[in-house]
Amino acid sequence: DGGITQSPKYLFRKEGQNVTLSCEQNLNHDAMYWYRQDPGQGLRLIYYSQIVNDFQKGDIAEGYSVSREKKESFPLTVTSAQKNPTAFYLCASSSQVNNEQFFGPGTRLTVL
Amino acid sequence: RKEVEQDPGPFNVPEGATVAFNCTYSNSASQSFFWYRQDCRKEPKLLMSVYSSGNEDGRFTAQLNRASQYISLLIRDSKLSDSATYLCAVNSGGGFKTIFGAGTRLFVKA
Repeated sequence: DGGITQSPKYLFRKEGQNVTLSCEQNLNHDAMYWYRQDPGQGLRLIYYSQIVNDFQKGDIAEGYSVSREKKESFPLTVTSAQKNPTAFYLCASSSQVNNEQFFGPGTRLTVL
Repeated sequence: RKEVEQDPGPFNVPEGATVAFNCTYSNSASQSFFWYRQDCRKEPKLLMSVYSSGNEDGRFTAQLNRASQYISLLIRDSKLSDSATYLCAVNSGGGFKTIFGAGTRLFVKA
């Protein structure tokens, strides 16, 4: 089955710890994205990557870092510099053809 | 002004009703437009892309008005299962960056 996977589904961390969220896709999409969603809010773009070894900051990149070493993978690190990391994190990918984005199931991060 | 704005919700409608959502965008160079559905505590799922000529998929109709810079989603014969949050999304005039609206919550009641 083609799709996007994110792991873990739920993640608990202590304040001050870095944590890395996984995102993998086998849709052969060039572009990948990370969004953050807070309760009752829309999606806010953290980082996106149009091609391997290249990525751009979104609207709320501070306190986050990413890498794109492989086309299939776009991990997100939430660093201790992120002031309010507790949120629902969504990864997505899209093709160059039509920009339709497909989302993974998300990771709920709770920082205690 | 936000780049993409949606009708404030929630919309509460009875089964069988017709409901319409609007979404305005500020970037006149935007090229691609989408509607997504998001169930509670789940990921958004693509409902339909919006084409210049409008498009229909069963009970759902999407339209684009470039002159007034808005897109719309019409749901006919609402079902209980249509209850969800509907997000509009606009590709910001080229490239891959897409801006999402905050979403409109729909409750369909028996």
